[in-house]
Amino acid sequence: AQSVTQPDIHITVSEGASLELRCNYSYGATPYLFWYVQSPGQGLQLLLKYFSGDTLVQGIKGFEAEIKRSQSSFNLRKPSVHWSDAAEYFCAVGSGANFGNEKLTFGTGTRLTIIP
Amino acid sequence: DAGITQSPRYKITETGRQVTLMCHQTWSHSYMFWYRQDLGHGLRLIYYSAAADITDKGEVPDGYVVSRSKTENFPLTLESATRSQTSVYFCASNTGAEAFFGQGTRLTVV
Repeated sequence: AQSVTQPDIHITVSEGASLELRCNYSYGATPYLFWYVQSPGQGLQLLLKYFSGDTLVQGIKGFEAEIKRSQSSFNLRKPSVHWSDAAEYFCAVGSGANFGNEKLTFGTGTRLTIIP
Repeated sequence: DAGITQSPRYKITETGRQVTLMCHQTWSHSYMFWYRQDLGHGLRLIYYSAAADITDKGEVPDGYVVSRSKTENFPLTLESATRSQTSVYFCASNTGAEAFFGQGTRLTVV
């Protein structure tokens, strides 16, 4: 069965500093990987997705993620965070059975706090 | 407005009562999903639907019922609410490459 682990429950970063949120996945075949962001009281918004091709994918709001198959990781990065990046971040894996219409399995999330 | 809307946004109900959470999408996406979000668990899939009149169980379906008579609507019913069903519920639809989420319904069972 597919699974996702986000080892960091809460991360605090200074504004302007770089960010890396960790995600490890478990899946037997080629994984379909996603990062979503949830602002307080809101639904989830897609930041980026990996289906195939380049191991480094670019997303919205200046985020990127790199899949490392040897480590089963799909970490999210941003070179310089802004106060508006404070939110909950979820990594998810899909089976790809219908090219995206698959059920997503989510990690438990990482809460990001930005300090001035 | 185009999108996916959930109602109500907030609901308090008593143990044992039946409650229905509504979800409506304007895109005619085939796939729709119901998740619950709880601290320490992230989002867990309750039920999903591949099309009108086609539904299937997710990871945590016990105590819930769904129906989908029309493509655009996917209501979730708690037949007899329990305190363990206190949660934030999210509905989502899927284009084939991206899932779009509603703003959630915060349900409290007292």
